[in-house]
Amino acid sequence: AQRVTQPEKLLSVFKGAPVELKCNYSYSGSPELFWYVQYSRQRLQLLLRHISRESIKGFTADLNKGETSFHLKKPFAQEEDSAMYYCALSGGGKLIFGQGTELSVKP
Amino acid sequence: GAVVSQHPSWVICKSGTSVKIECRSLDFQATTMFWYRQFPKQSLMLMATSNEGSKATYEQGVEKDKFLINHASLTLSTLTVTSAHPEDSSFYICSANPLRSHTDTQYFGPGTRLTVL
Repeated sequence: AQRVTQPEKLLSVFKGAPVELKCNYSYSGSPELFWYVQYSRQRLQLLLRHISRESIKGFTADLNKGETSFHLKKPFAQEEDSAMYYCALSGGGKLIFGQGTELSVKP
Repeated sequence: GAVVSQHPSWVICKSGTSVKIECRSLDFQATTMFWYRQFPKQSLMLMATSNEGSKATYEQGVEKDKFLINHASLTLSTLTVTSAHPEDSSFYICSANPLRSHTDTQYFGPGTRLTVL
């Protein structure tokens, strides 16, 4: 079955601390994986996708096929990073979302 | 680029009435649009995939007669909630995948808050 798991519902860190939001997936085939972010009262926005191997707003994510993971990382969290983060997997033309992790960055 | 709009942004209606929500891709064309439902502090639940010029594909458990979807052009999909009841109150979000995109990246609308009294 296709599934995306984000084990942490809430992650709270202090400004300047490293952040890692976990994402594990289950998919038979070559997945296309994404991280979307939803800031308070704003729409869901694409943060990054694994095929681009890009770094957006200091965030990176590496696809680990052996561990079926796509964790999102940032070395130094900022207060403006506080938001809901969703990991998503593309399967059969549809996006399958994880439950989301709320990141709270405290001053 | 890749902007998706929704109208209205919020709507309040009486139980038993129907409500139409529009989803438009403003600067690109999309043969496929998606409709999601999001409950507070929860993830997005895919309701249906809207295909231009053909019938929508509904996810298991979603009533197609209650949530009517029409995708009449490459830039517009509509979701009509028929005979709305309070349990239909939710945040409805649409997304679109650009035509001829090489990835499955979806671009999301701002959502429509539906409140059924």
